[in-house]
Amino acid sequence: LAKTTQPISMDSYEGQEVNITCSHNNIATNDYITWYQQFPSQGPRFIIQGYKTKVTNEVASLFIPADRKSSTLSLPRVSLSDTAVYYCLVGAGGYQKVTFGIGTKLQVIP
Amino acid sequence: GAGVSQSPSNKVTEKGKDVELRCDPISGHTALYWYRQSLGQGLEFLIYFQGNSAPDKSGLPSDRFSAERTGGSVSTLTIQRTQQEDSAVYLCASSPSPGTSREQYFGPGTRLTVT
Repeated sequence: LAKTTQPISMDSYEGQEVNITCSHNNIATNDYITWYQQFPSQGPRFIIQGYKTKVTNEVASLFIPADRKSSTLSLPRVSLSDTAVYYCLVGAGGYQKVTFGIGTKLQVIP
Repeated sequence: GAGVSQSPSNKVTEKGKDVELRCDPISGHTALYWYRQSLGQGLEFLIYFQGNSAPDKSGLPSDRFSAERTGGSVSTLTIQRTQQEDSAVYLCASSPSPGTSREQYFGPGTRLTVT
């Protein structure tokens, strides 16, 4: 299973763009990169998933370089409601023991 | 449509008692996952079901923990002889098929407190 490393915490002011980078040096050919968001007292919620290059949806963008050994979740113009823990996962289809890790705690400051 | 539901939402039990936690996945989802999250910690994977079978039970913390799934739907996580270190939020998730390439839909969790 590909291990992931991401910062434990980040602070950002409202209205700024936030980039959270996840390292996954031993990512396998079949692995996808998935990000989840978790608010206090709630279960995680899927944000975005990608395999290579760039993926964008209404919530975020995901940038994946050609070597796929890292990925960056980009949140445009964050608001206070974006304060949450963000998890990076790497894995493929089929059965795998799923590891969420500790995630990155993002604190948005007014 | 209905999401993943879990019951009870909160459970307070005395040390040594048995507890059962229930998860109702999204209809038609074949994969079901159980996680545990202690205060301020990440999610700890416990067990995974594909249909009614659990291919790998190695994530369960001890033999006091067991889980079953019936009819490819509802799952129950049972903790026998609860200990204070079992206190945590227990989260259930389901997905249309297994693997981290597929989106998991999480329930609200059951907060277990062992006194």
